[in-house]
Amino acid sequence: GAVVSQHPSWVICKSGTSVKIECRSLDFQATTMFWYRQFPKQSLMLMATSNEGSKATYEQGVEKDKFLINHASLTLSTLTVTSAHPEDSSFYICSAGRGTQHFGDGTRLSIL
Amino acid sequence: EDQVTQSPEALRLQEGESSSLNCSYTVSGLRGLFWYRQDPGKGPEFLFTLYSAGEEKEKERLKATLTKKESFLHITAPKPEDSATYLCAVTGGDNYGQNFVFGPGTRLSVLP
Repeated sequence: GAVVSQHPSWVICKSGTSVKIECRSLDFQATTMFWYRQFPKQSLMLMATSNEGSKATYEQGVEKDKFLINHASLTLSTLTVTSAHPEDSSFYICSAGRGTQHFGDGTRLSIL
Repeated sequence: EDQVTQSPEALRLQEGESSSLNCSYTVSGLRGLFWYRQDPGKGPEFLFTLYSAGEEKEKERLKATLTKKESFLHITAPKPEDSATYLCAVTGGDNYGQNFVFGPGTRLSVLP
């Protein structure tokens, strides 16, 4: 069964809305989780590393004020896309694990 | 900088027609090479982890091998349900289990 749960799986909302995506580790405690973005027919691009109890570290070119990450517990990390615009539409995926990373099923975000 | 390339970009096979997918990597101090399967609209599903050259792992119709420069995913007598995108990822140096660098993937289609 799944070891990483991601919710929601699909979001459609108006431009300017903020959207929160949750990522939970089900069978283990995760001090670190990762957030990826994937465009159609492209591979996963790491956006940020979520660290429990401390600030997330963002990859170059990723706006930290746009993509807010909170890792408040050892089993939950959230990604909030603030004031989303159509160009933020994408497939967002989280992962967690020790060594081998296990991935959530992704969130399809569509901004109208 | 760590890099991963995969070939071919896309592969169409007849059911039962065996083939291999290639993953070439450049990483300083390989700590792990990972194969994942991704179905459309889903997160990557873990298949194998390989740690050192010469290592091989098998699961049903899939067999993964590793050399110092590349990895192969051999598919024996594939079935239509093996159709998916196969992703290769590496982690190395001080970042074991942390930053995964993904290849672009190979889109496999197995025709009945």
